[in-house]
Amino acid sequence: DVKVTQSSRYLVKRTGEKVFLECVQDMDHENMFWYRQDPGLGLRLIYFSYDVKMKEKGDIPEGYSVSREKKERFSLILESASTNQTSMYLCASSLIRLNSYGYTFGSGTRLTVV
Amino acid sequence: DAKTTQPNSMESNEEEPVHLPCNHSTISGTDYIHWYRQLPSQGPEYVIHGLTSNVNNRMASLAIAEDRKSSTLILHRATLRDAAVYYCILRDNNNDMRFGAGTRLTVKP
Repeated sequence: DVKVTQSSRYLVKRTGEKVFLECVQDMDHENMFWYRQDPGLGLRLIYFSYDVKMKEKGDIPEGYSVSREKKERFSLILESASTNQTSMYLCASSLIRLNSYGYTFGSGTRLTVV
Repeated sequence: DAKTTQPNSMESNEEEPVHLPCNHSTISGTDYIHWYRQLPSQGPEYVIHGLTSNVNNRMASLAIAEDRKSSTLILHRATLRDAAVYYCILRDNNNDMRFGAGTRLTVKP
């Protein structure tokens, strides 16, 4: 069964900390994505990557960066965590960037910044 | 991006069929219609997708109107495990997946 694995299910960090959220997929997918999900706001795209070492900004990239050094791993970095980054973070992957292909999502990381 | 409109919530009885509607009047000729669902405390999962013809898989059926301005996700026999938020999404080749608010389906025993 194909899988997207997010390293932590729950995470609590302090304001100002540098936070790394890790995502690994075992499907040899080219494309990977990071979303955050908040009540009333739905899922919002933060960053995505179409290939190793490539990244593109989504709708809400401020306060975040990403790293994709290997095809199977896509990391989301909060340079200096703030309380408004408390959220559910979801990673997804897709084989290629064609509209006939779907996404596979991980189970999410619930991050609390205190 | 072409937008979709879904009811905020729907209710169904267990073991009865459920028809979840989605309006997408601004759909373009190359947009695929994707459906995902999100169970409580889980990431979204793929349900079904189509372009013009109706589609069936083990999870559901997708009925697409002839003018493609609307579609309906059909769960043939709802179970309690089908309670989730269902998202209808249009995708063209130039855009990535953008999720709306979806329809929260409640299944009553």
